[in-house]
Amino acid sequence: AQTVTQSQPEMSVQEAETVTLSCTYDTSESDYYLFWYKQPPSRQMILVIRQEAYKQQNATENRFSVNFQKAAKSFSLKISDSQLGDAAMYFCAYRSANNNDMRFGAGTRLTVKP
Amino acid sequence: DGGITQSPKYLFRKEGQNVTLSCEQNLNHDAMYWYRQDPGQGLRLIYYSQIVNDFQKGDIAEGYSVSREKKESFPLTVTSAQKNPTAFYLCASSMGTSGNDEQFFGPGTRLTVL
Repeated sequence: AQTVTQSQPEMSVQEAETVTLSCTYDTSESDYYLFWYKQPPSRQMILVIRQEAYKQQNATENRFSVNFQKAAKSFSLKISDSQLGDAAMYFCAYRSANNNDMRFGAGTRLTVKP
Repeated sequence: DGGITQSPKYLFRKEGQNVTLSCEQNLNHDAMYWYRQDPGQGLRLIYYSQIVNDFQKGDIAEGYSVSREKKESFPLTVTSAQKNPTAFYLCASSMGTSGNDEQFFGPGTRLTVL
């Protein structure tokens, strides 16, 4: 079964600075999707960014970008110009292209310091 | 407004009682999902449904039951057979069941069994 590992339980960043959250995964499949979700204190899960495994180009959404290294099975999230509203739990997730199996990491709690 | 609603936000039950958590969506999505979230862990899939009158077990289905009689509704029953039911429960839906289909999440229900 696929597993997703987030090795940083907590991270902090100064407002306006850049922070990178790490994620690695284990799979034998070649076709899959990767996601970063944000869960603020309201606990509403919000999709931040997604990456298709067949695309070599790293996905970007405004201040959020990923570094997708398929061979290394690594999928890190970079948040630029961090804002106070970025403070939340961030979950990395893997989803097979062939089924509904969505696997989540344990999460990284991001604190943004003013 | 389109979205997913879960009710109630907080639920308290005595040990040994069955309890049903509500999930409704007006997004016209075919697929719906139930996840459980525990502290320090990512989301784990309980059940999912790809279409009305059909549902499949996820990783931790024991002690839970679901029904999908209507497209917009996917209630989850936590039975007395669930050994440790206190948790945060998230419902989600997606247009289809492709790995690329974004899952939209409800606001969650916090269940506490006394």
